[in-house]
Amino acid sequence: DADVTQTPRNRITKTGKRIMLECSQTKGHDRMYWYRQDPGLGLRLIYYSFDVKDINKGEISDGYSVSRQAQAKFSLSLESAIPNQTALYFCATSDPGQGGWETQYFGPGTRLLVL
Amino acid sequence: AQKITQTQPGMFVQEKEAVTLDCTYDTSDQSYGLFWYKQPSSGEMIFLIYQGSYDEQNATEGRYSLNFQKARKSANLVISASQLGDSAMYFCAMRERTTGGTSYGKLTFGQGTILTVHP
Repeated sequence: DADVTQTPRNRITKTGKRIMLECSQTKGHDRMYWYRQDPGLGLRLIYYSFDVKDINKGEISDGYSVSRQAQAKFSLSLESAIPNQTALYFCATSDPGQGGWETQYFGPGTRLLVL
Repeated sequence: AQKITQTQPGMFVQEKEAVTLDCTYDTSDQSYGLFWYKQPSSGEMIFLIYQGSYDEQNATEGRYSLNFQKARKSANLVISASQLGDSAMYFCAMRERTTGGTSYGKLTFGQGTILTVHP
């Protein structure tokens, strides 16, 4: 089984709808992240959480919210989806106890299309 | 200013040959980490290799090695003995510490290089 899972893998929605993307991990990592990927732009950080009670905005948090329901679960919500939120969304995790520069491990991604 | 620059939008290599994917970075921090990820057409992000700024030796992981030149601020990925399955998008990324010493957690990504391996 994959260590980091994302549901759904693909989603089509309409402008104005509220949707939630979910991420679960079995790696036991405290730190979790949400990124989005647009063509030609690499990945950009939306939100990150260093533990259940710690949630921080990334560089492009407007229009998004998150919830850290447990150490293993981190959800991303689009309160009112708009077409320019069409993108590939990734969840990632990392372990600060790894030492050195903790590696971030990514889920398989969710492809979101907002019509 | 862009912090991670990958100047090669696309690269081609013959199977079994070596290929170098370029990455330059910009930071004023003394302590940082550099990472390479592979993204095949299926879309997932696969971690390949990392180098810490204080590591004296270049990182290696199997057929992957990182040619780290600190003074030049470059962290090129070298793939030896290319395989057809190496065809993918490759991203260079950097993680910096804040001036306060707390790990911010953000990975900054380059725009990627598409590698195509020909048989």
